[in-house]
Order: sequence, then structure tokens, then C-alpha cells
Amino acid sequence: GENVEQHPSTLSVQEGDSAVIKCTYSDSASNYFPWYKQELGKRPQLIIDIRSNVGEKKDQRIAVTLNKTAKHFSLHITETQPEDSAVYFCAASSATGNQFYFGTGTSLTVIP
Amino acid sequence: NAGVTQTPKFQVLKTGQSMTLQCAQDMNHEYMSWYRQDPGMGLRLIHYSVGAGITDQGEVPNGYNVSRSTTEDFPLRLLSAAPSQTSVYFCASSYSRIGAIGEAFFGQGTRLTVV
Repeated sequence: GENVEQHPSTLSVQEGDSAVIKCTYSDSASNYFPWYKQELGKRPQLIIDIRSNVGEKKDQRIAVTLNKTAKHFSLHITETQPEDSAVYFCAASSATGNQFYFGTGTSLTVIP
Repeated sequence: NAGVTQTPKFQVLKTGQSMTLQCAQDMNHEYMSWYRQDPGMGLRLIHYSVGAGITDQGEVPNGYNVSRSTTEDFPLRLLSAAPSQTSVYFCASSYSRIGAIGEAFFGQGTRLTVV
């Protein structure tokens, strides 16, 4: 099955700086790559996603890039704010589209 | 529009007891799934369903049963609880079609402790 690896496991940045979280996947047939944000005690919520026919997608301060050849994708958060502090999960869909495989999460702390 | 509703929010079980975690969605999603979340291990898929009457195993299915009699409901049953099943459980639903899946909407989670 798919194997998704996520780095780093923890990340601290100063407010206003950028944060980058990286994920790799193993199944070249995976075609959908969402990113979820989970605040403490809350449910995961989608913040951005990308499909395999697109190389980059932006939504205000958040962007995701996908390199299909290298099988890795990254989340970029610019101008970080304290409310960006949370755990972020990457995921990749199975080739059949029936399963998500999640990374192990990155705990982001934005220091005011 | 309630989205994905999951109950209970908290539960304490004794080893060997059984229970059912309830999950319901009102978005007419065909795809529903159950995950467990453990520290440092992300979200691991337990069971999933691509439609009423169809279920399949995920990464960590042992000790759990599911059924899908309607599009809306997808209960998760713990047959004989063990301390290793102490975890936070999330139900999720997605729009899906063959070869493609959309955003997963998660329930609020169930924190289960087995003593």
C-alpha cells in the first residue's frame, strides 16, 4: 500500500516568517493530495488540496506544490500568525481513490 | 446542515466490554471511513465503505467491525475492548467516484479509554 512520510515532526517559527512542511509518497498512482489542520482537541479540517494534474496551488497565505516525478509535495505558509499554530497532516489518496494515507503530522508553533 | 455527527464524545470501557461508536452524515456522501489517531502515528484507517452494503478493511481493522445499511450511517463496533484500543476515533465522509475522491469531512471525534 501507500506510504506517506512527513517532515519535520515539530516546527517553530517567529510570527511573520514562513513555514514549510514536506511529505513524500510511495505510490506513483496516487492522484489527490490534501492537507489538514488540526487544532488542539478539534477535528482535522481541510486547508488546501492538489490533484496530480497540477503542480502548484495557492490560497492566500497557503500554497501547496507537487513534484510527481520525485513523489513529494509540500505545504508553504507565508506571513505566519499565532493562529496558524496547530498540527498539520498531509495525505495521499490510494490509486483506487478509496483510501487516504496520512502522514504522521507536524506540530507547528508560531511564536509571537 | 450538521455535516458528520459522531457520538459519544468521550467513553471509558473496561477490558472485554463491547460498544458501538455512532457516525451519521447528511451530505449524501457515498464514501465513509473510520480512523484512529494515536500520538506520533497520524490517522490510521480502520475500515471504510464506498456505499450502502459495501465495506472493506483499512490498515488496522483487527478488533473492529462495521456495517453500512444506509448511506447516512456507518457505526463502528468494538467487539471486546482492549487497552491497545485506547485512542481518539474519527469518522469521516467524502464525495467520491471511481478513481477519485474529494475532501474528507471529519466528525468531532470520540476519546476512548479502555481500562
